[in-house]
Amino acid sequence: DAKTTQPTSMDCAEGRAANLPCNHSTISGNEYVYWYRQIHSQGPQYIIHGLKNNETNEMASLIITEDRKSSTLILPHATLRDTAVYYCIVSSGTYKYIFGTGTRLKVLA
Amino acid sequence: DAGVIQSPRHEVTEMGQEVTLRCKPISGHNSLFWYRQTMMRGLELLIYFNNNVPIDDSGMPEDRFSAKMPNASFSTLKIQPSEPRDSAVYFCASSMEGSPLHFGNGTRLTVT
Repeated sequence: DAKTTQPTSMDCAEGRAANLPCNHSTISGNEYVYWYRQIHSQGPQYIIHGLKNNETNEMASLIITEDRKSSTLILPHATLRDTAVYYCIVSSGTYKYIFGTGTRLKVLA
Repeated sequence: DAGVIQSPRHEVTEMGQEVTLRCKPISGHNSLFWYRQTMMRGLELLIYFNNNVPIDDSGMPEDRFSAKMPNASFSTLKIQPSEPRDSAVYFCASSMEGSPLHFGNGTRLTVT
């Protein structure tokens, strides 16, 4: 499975959109982009995933570039409860997720 | 849906003792995963079961670690004997094959 690169940390003001980038330049055609987050002392939580089209659900939006080499997770109106570590994972849907170090998002009041 | 249930939430034990961690996956899920998380190594996959059968145990660190899934609703991860370097948070996750993972809230293991 392809490797991903994410910024180590980001801050976002409460109520503003949080845009979390992820680079996956070695992604192959059958690999999906998955996003999970981990709030302190809890297990990772699935957020969203996509193949090549942009996706939206009740939690977030996922924007994937046309060449699929990068993506952005958007939390449209960040709240303090969105403070967490966000993991971008590329996988063909097999069980071997590589979580990496993720982006530590801090939402500021 | 109660989600993935792990027990205990915290375990403190002395070096050399046997430790057993337990997991109840979400009903209907046919894939089960054990992960370990430490500050140094992040989240690591230890073992993966599909339909109760171990498919990949290449992440199990040593023979001291063993995992079983006697039925679709229960799995255990055992460490015998435990060592201080086994201290970590152990997560269990389940899914329908190919679908996103659902994680439990983990067991924090401290070996003194």
